[in-house]
Amino acid sequence: SQQGEEDPQALSIQEGENATMNCSYKTSINNLQWYRQNSGRGLVHLILIRSNEREKHSGRLRVTLDTSKKSSSLLITASRAADTASYFCATDPSGTYKYIFGTGTRLKVLA
Amino acid sequence: DTGVSQNPRHKITKRGQNVTFRCDPISEHNRLYWYRQTLGQGPEFLTYFQNEAQLEKSRLLSDRFSAERPKGSFSTLEIQRTEQGDSAMYLCALLSTGQSAEKLFFGSGTQLSVL
Repeated sequence: SQQGEEDPQALSIQEGENATMNCSYKTSINNLQWYRQNSGRGLVHLILIRSNEREKHSGRLRVTLDTSKKSSSLLITASRAADTASYFCATDPSGTYKYIFGTGTRLKVLA
Repeated sequence: DTGVSQNPRHKITKRGQNVTFRCDPISEHNRLYWYRQTLGQGPEFLTYFQNEAQLEKSRLLSDRFSAERPKGSFSTLEIQRTEQGDSAMYLCALLSTGQSAEKLFFGSGTQLSVL
């Protein structure tokens, strides 16, 4: 079963615009992670935010976490065509080390 | 290079046949995971190992599925009597628990097609 759900399912933007995708999850967590997947490849870790953190930055990525709403958002600023990929959130319910992924947002950045 | 090698990359089999996939970590990692992913969906957790011990199995892992990690290094996932519904990408991942905290490193996966 999927722990999280991403919203929107698909997003199409122009190069240079910002892309925002959201993730909702169901149970208490130790941390939430975002991964990226290019078509037909494995997933690549982007960023991790702990349950006691509210916001984190890494380059053009900004992640927020609201544990009261059990939700997170990933913002990609100044998007590039190379950012075209699927993005997934993953959570570790109650520190079980059983990482559960959401359904993903498919981002398309048009040049 | 994520440090995780999966073989084969693609596998086509007929319904009812058995298939085995292999995951080879390049370096030592205690925790090794298997996921299944179908088109347009996120990876679904199947099972994970801490060293050679299989700690948890998803209810998705029917009795036709078996995973092993005999020496705590490489792992195999076997599917017996394959069904068309088993067609999916099977992903292996290692958990890194270094200074950068927990993160999963994924292999490129084995794409299974059951005809």
